[in-house]
Amino acid sequence: DIQMTQSPSSLSASVGDRVTITCQASQDISNYLNWYQQRPGKAPKLLIYDASTLERGVPSRFSGSGSGTDFTFTISSLQPEDIATYYCQQYDNLFTFGPGTKVDIK
Amino acid sequence: QVQLVESGGGVVQPGRSLRLSCAASGFTFSNYGMHWVRQAPGKGLEWVAVISYDGSNKYYADSVKGRFTISRDNSKKTVYLQMNSPGVADTAVYYCAKDRKQIASLDYWGQGTLVTVSS
Repeated sequence: DIQMTQSPSSLSASVGDRVTITCQASQDISNYLNWYQQRPGKAPKLLIYDASTLERGVPSRFSGSGSGTDFTFTISSLQPEDIATYYCQQYDNLFTFGPGTKVDIK
Repeated sequence: QVQLVESGGGVVQPGRSLRLSCAASGFTFSNYGMHWVRQAPGKGLEWVAVISYDGSNKYYADSVKGRFTISRDNSKKTVYLQMNSPGVADTAVYYCAKDRKQIASLDYWGQGTLVTVSS
């Protein structure tokens, strides 16, 4: 089974800050990596697929990069509506979600 | 617009069965894989199962294999999750989600239905 780790588990940043979350797979998953946003009390929302492709309608301040085992998710300028938990998810071998990173406003 | 509406959740005793349904609209249902994902209270997301567009391929998380069954009825645009022998650890919000292709990324999600396993 492929295991996914994320760091940090939580972070607090100011509006306008650049925020970076990392995700690591336990084995090479090529670019079979997605990122989701889950706002409190809501269903998850797909933000980025195939490691770096922005889903239609998602603001361009969100971006993703990486391949193999190491991936990065970035919010270039944090906005109040970005308060959420962010999950990475691999689909190289079935599906596995990372444990999530909770993002708060400082 | 794409809509996914789950139903069938509630309180179930350990060992009793429950069937969840997810009614889809706004897209060509028979062209896409469909998933179930769950989230225990205060916890992260756990993928549960996926079914291919025509129902010929089904895959499960180890935690539910042999107990849960995913199925679909393309004529009714509905996907199901039959939960047999549930235990307390299966208590969660269960989300239905559409795959962007067949087995790739989950691009639309329902609002979820809460299943509580308790005696």
